[in-house]
Parts: sequence; C-alpha cells; structure tokens
Amino acid sequence: GQQVMQIPQYQHVQEGEDFTTYCNSSTTLSNIQWYKQRPGGHPVFLIQLVKSGEVKKQKRLTFQFGEAKKNSSLHITATQTTDVGTYFCAGDTDSWGKLQFGAGTQVVVTP
Amino acid sequence: KAGVTQTPRYLIKTRGQQVTLSCSPISGHRSVSWYQQTPGQGLQFLFEYFSETQRNKGNFPGRFSGRQFSNSRSEMNVSTLELGDSALYLCASRRDSGGSPLHFGNGTRLTVT
Repeated sequence: GQQVMQIPQYQHVQEGEDFTTYCNSSTTLSNIQWYKQRPGGHPVFLIQLVKSGEVKKQKRLTFQFGEAKKNSSLHITATQTTDVGTYFCAGDTDSWGKLQFGAGTQVVVTP
Repeated sequence: KAGVTQTPRYLIKTRGQQVTLSCSPISGHRSVSWYQQTPGQGLQFLFEYFSETQRNKGNFPGRFSGRQFSNSRSEMNVSTLELGDSALYLCASRRDSGGSPLHFGNGTRLTVT
C-alpha cells in the first residue's frame, strides 16, 4: 500500500539557521499537504501542493513538490523559536483517497 | 466559524471497558476522519466518513468502529480496551471531496489503565 516516509525524524536547529525536511511517497500523489503541530496542540494545515514541480512560499517557509509528484520538501530559513513543533507531510493519491501522513519531523530550536 | 469540537478532552478507562468519543465537524464539512496519535507511531489513520458512509478504513482491529450521523457529527467507539489503546485520538473534518485540507480538533486524550 501507499507509504509516506519523512526524514529526518528529529531536527535540532540553532536559532537563525536553515533546515530542510523531506517527504517521499512510494506512489504518485495527486497532492501533498503540510501540517504543523505545536507541542501539546493539534496539527494545523499549512499548505497544499498540487502541480508537478510546484514551489510555494510562506514567509520563511518554502515548500516544493517534486517533478514526479512522489516527493516534497519543506525548507525553513532563519529558524526562530516560533518554528518549534512537529511538521507532517500528508499525501493524497486520488479524490477519494485517505491522507497518508508521514511520521513527522520534530523540530527543536536552540536560542 | 466554529472549529472542530471533540469531547471529552480527557478520559481514563480500565482495560476491558469500552469508550465512545464524539466529534462535531466544522459547519458545512461532510467528511470526518479519525486518527490515533502515539509518540512512537505518529498519526495513524483509523477511518473516514462521508455523508454517513465509511469511505476509507485504516488497519485497525474490529474493536475500533465509528459512525456518522445525518448532521455530520461523528462518534468513534473502542471496545474491550487494551493498554496499547492509550493515545491521543484526533478527529478532522474537511469539505466534501478528497484533496481539501483537514481541520483537526483538539483531540481526546485516552488513558487505559
């Protein structure tokens, strides 16, 4: 069945540094979504990518969808303490499919 | 617009008991999904309901069941609770079709002793 792998599992970042988390699917996706879960909170939708090769930016966050629509990345520049949390990618395979979540990347920011 | 509401927030149950969790989706959302979240396993999909019909199901035993009512509210039931069922249970709603983003509730923290 469809599997979504996310790496790294943990990311310790110095404040001000950049980092990237990666998401890979075993099957071609119709779209990919990214969510952020703050400690003690629930996942909150960040963005959705639909087109092959699509790139979207939200302030310091840059999201990419691979040309083959099987992988995605989230790049955060100049990390801040507000970026702390777990970032999940979730892949959708068709209009009636279930969202398959990756295991998440837990981000810890050191001041 | 009110968000997704889950009740109760916290539950403590004993092994062997059963439990029912409730979820009220965002108004106008017809799809409700349930996820189990544990530290070691991440977000595991349980099932999704759309217009009172189960549309998708994850790989959980038959002790986990759910239903959706005509007003889109959903309930999840776990029978014969096991210690390993201790987790955060998240409900999420979305608009009528796949491809739209999920809106999560705050979750129900279930502890089985």
